[in-house]
Amino acid sequence: TQLLEQSPQFLSIQEGENLTVYCNSSSVFSSLQWYRQEPGEGPVLLVTVVTGGEVKKLKRLTFQFGDARKDSSLHITAAQPGDTGLYLCAGAEGYQKVTFGTGTKLQVIP
Amino acid sequence: DVKVTQSSRYLVKRTGEKVFLECVQDMDHENMFWYRQDPGLGLRLIYFSYDVKMKEKGDIPEGYSVSREKKERFSLILESASTNQTSMYLCASSSGPPQDTQYFGPGTRLTVL
Repeated sequence: TQLLEQSPQFLSIQEGENLTVYCNSSSVFSSLQWYRQEPGEGPVLLVTVVTGGEVKKLKRLTFQFGDARKDSSLHITAAQPGDTGLYLCAGAEGYQKVTFGTGTKLQVIP
Repeated sequence: DVKVTQSSRYLVKRTGEKVFLECVQDMDHENMFWYRQDPGLGLRLIYFSYDVKMKEKGDIPEGYSVSREKKERFSLILESASTNQTSMYLCASSSGPPQDTQYFGPGTRLTVL
């Protein structure tokens, strides 16, 4: 089972700041997803990336898949309190299963 | 919209009790999953099911069993609850393989005393 390490584990920033969250593994993924989980709710899919080097943007969120498909990053520009939550990456091993990362808990202070 | 519901948001049980966690999805999805979520460990897959009466072990199946008698319902069973099974339990469903969008329920916070 591949291990997905996310960093940092916790992040507390002021509204308007930028931040980057990382998801790393020694294994190659066939695809990678990012989910956000708000308090008291289940995770909700934000994006799926499938091609090495791929960049996807979702408003102020930018997702990048590493060239070797072993890592990914999530960059948030001008963070807002509504971005607060737990961010989870999830890597797919072929078509069999998805392994979730360790999670990054983000708090954006107004 | 896809809706995944879980029978309880909070549950408190005693060591040795048999515990049932129920999950229902309303989108006719083939695939259903049970995860447990612990701080710093992310989500870990307990069991999953690709069809009625079909189940496969995930990464941490020990101490758990599952049942899928109907397509829309997937149950997680703790045969004899232990304190180390205190956790958040999340159910999910998807229409395709696991790397397709998984739709999650709100979770059940289980405390075993």
